[in-house]
Amino acid sequence: DTEVTQTPKHLVMGMTNKKSLKCEQHMGHRAMYWYKQKAKKPPELMFVYSYEKLSINESVPSRFSPECPNSSLLNLHLHALQPEDSALYLCASSQGGGTTEAFFGQGTRLTVV
Amino acid sequence: ELKVEQNPLFLSMQEGKNYTIYCNYSTTSDRLYWYRQDPGKSLESLFVLLSNGAVKQEGRLMASLDTKARLSTLHITAAVHDLSATYFCAVDTGTYKYIFGTGTRLKVLA
Repeated sequence: DTEVTQTPKHLVMGMTNKKSLKCEQHMGHRAMYWYKQKAKKPPELMFVYSYEKLSINESVPSRFSPECPNSSLLNLHLHALQPEDSALYLCASSQGGGTTEAFFGQGTRLTVV
Repeated sequence: ELKVEQNPLFLSMQEGKNYTIYCNYSTTSDRLYWYRQDPGKSLESLFVLLSNGAVKQEGRLMASLDTKARLSTLHITAAVHDLSATYFCAVDTGTYKYIFGTGTRLKVLA
């Protein structure tokens, strides 16, 4: 089973709203990731959790707040977003140690109005 | 800062033709991955290349890695319409960072 599950698939939110994106994997992977992808662009790394600790924050604005409640779950809390934050948000997981690729979820299509 | 560049950025080719996509990266790494992305969809893993000289083949696609040249290639043999998609290479920096290339949008014309 190489499945990473993301919810919701689509999300429309106002600039004053607070919402959360959720990601779950049951492959026993020790690293989990959030990527942001704009149309016709490559995915851009936002955050990496390894062994449930935040190990990389790619200078992401504080209106994005990641959380890793346990080794299988990863959340991305959203608050006071801007229209330019509209994008496809991808969660991924990997075994770590550089021996396997990262497996990606189906993504959440976020629209900020 | 690690840079990963692909060329061409856009490729339109006839069915039955062969072509190669190139992925160049700017720092030392011996781990590179190829992904496919269909419009509006997520990324599907195609190949895992973990050492210099690694070559992997699946159907009409073959990927290789030359770590000394910091170059990976994705070769398409006898293209078919179903291969139309965007292809990304991704370099593993060894610190849980997968950095993606600029992407190659492939369109195979019937």
